[in-house]
Amino acid sequence: AQSVTQPDIHITVSEGASLELRCNYSYGATPYLFWYVQSPGQGLQLLLKYFSGDTLVQGIKGFEAEFKRSQSSFNLRKPSVHWSDAAEYFCAVGLYNQGGKLIFGQGTELSVKP
Amino acid sequence: NAGVTQTPKFQVLKTGQSMTLQCAQDMNHEYMSWYRQDPGMGLRLIHYSVGAGITDQGEVPNGYNVSRSTTEDFPLRLLSAAPSQTSVYFCASSEGALGLTFGSGTRLTVV
Repeated sequence: AQSVTQPDIHITVSEGASLELRCNYSYGATPYLFWYVQSPGQGLQLLLKYFSGDTLVQGIKGFEAEFKRSQSSFNLRKPSVHWSDAAEYFCAVGLYNQGGKLIFGQGTELSVKP
Repeated sequence: NAGVTQTPKFQVLKTGQSMTLQCAQDMNHEYMSWYRQDPGMGLRLIHYSVGAGITDQGEVPNGYNVSRSTTEDFPLRLLSAAPSQTSVYFCASSEGALGLTFGSGTRLTVV
């Protein structure tokens, strides 16, 4: 069955420290991969996406993610976290011919210590 | 542009009542979808549409109906509300597989 796993439910990092959020997927084919961010009480905002090509993709707000086919992973990273990055982060996968139909992970809540 | 607009933002229903959650997008996107968000479960797909007149079920369709008479609108109908439908509902649209644009959500409580 198709699935997305975010192993970390909650992560706390200090402001200025680096961040890595993990995402693993199980899919029959190489999917399209996405990371979304949700601030409290808000909708979801697209951070970045991977379709093909360079496996390191850059997104908004200084985030990047690396696709590793051999590990079925798409981990999100940021070199230096800001207090405003505190939010919930969702990894999602989909197929090119199924726009609008994504499978989401359970989410990782990020807290930032001053 | 407004993007994806959902109404209402908050709603309280009694068990057995019906209601429609409205969703409209002004980006001429072909794909639209409805998700529900519950704590610890991420977002789960309820129904989606690949164009006007075409809809299909997602992962958790029971208790919900949809229709897509125009490109812009994709309402979600709760036929007979149950406490298990207490959730936050998100409508989204996309052009192909380029990533979803989400509305701001509807927080629904069924008592």
